[in-house]
Amino acid sequence: DIQMTQSPSTLSASVGDRVTITCRASQSFTTWLAWYQQKPGKAPKLLIYKASTLQSGVPSRFSGSGSGTEFTLTISSLQPDDFATYYCQQYNSYSATFGQGTKVEIK
Amino acid sequence: QVQLQQSGPGLVKPSQTLSLTCAISGDSVSSDSAAWNWIRQSPSRGLEWLGRTYYRSKFYNDYALSVQSRITIKPDTSKNQFTLQLNSVTPEDTAVYYCARADTAMDNYFDYWGQGTLLTVSS
Repeated sequence: DIQMTQSPSTLSASVGDRVTITCRASQSFTTWLAWYQQKPGKAPKLLIYKASTLQSGVPSRFSGSGSGTEFTLTISSLQPDDFATYYCQQYNSYSATFGQGTKVEIK
Repeated sequence: QVQLQQSGPGLVKPSQTLSLTCAISGDSVSSDSAAWNWIRQSPSRGLEWLGRTYYRSKFYNDYALSVQSRITIKPDTSKNQFTLQLNSVTPEDTAVYYCARADTAMDNYFDYWGQGTLLTVSS
């Protein structure tokens, strides 16, 4: 299985900051990567799929990029509702693996 | 709007079988595009995809290697739901279990999730 490693594990930021989270894969694959946001006690929420396609209804301040083994999630201007934990997920036609998560905290 | 409603016990004894159900509204377990998945989350293992069922003229399953010998995911077309069975559970199987839809079987990312069920394995 492809292993996914996120960095940082925790990120302290302020409202209005530009935030970038990185996800690295143990081996190269195509742009089959998704990003999720999770808040305590809730299921993950899909933000981005195919590395850079914004899910319907997700604010445009979220963006994704990357290919091969390195992918990034960027929040252009952090809002109060964005303090949460973020996960990357690689997927293919028969399986899926998640990163360990990045917690975005209030600075 | 797709909704997934989970049901099942919150406590299972070691060595017994875990059984959870996910009822689908707004879509069909027999959809010829979607896939229906089970995922769990624990502090020690993080988010872990367990497996899925999907219909393409007949029903197919894919399972994670980590649970392949113990897992069964079954569709129930009469009730438009699918179930997870995990045999021979141990305390390591304690987790929040989620069902989730993948829009297509080719792209296994999850756009709709159930509410989650905390499953504790304890005697």
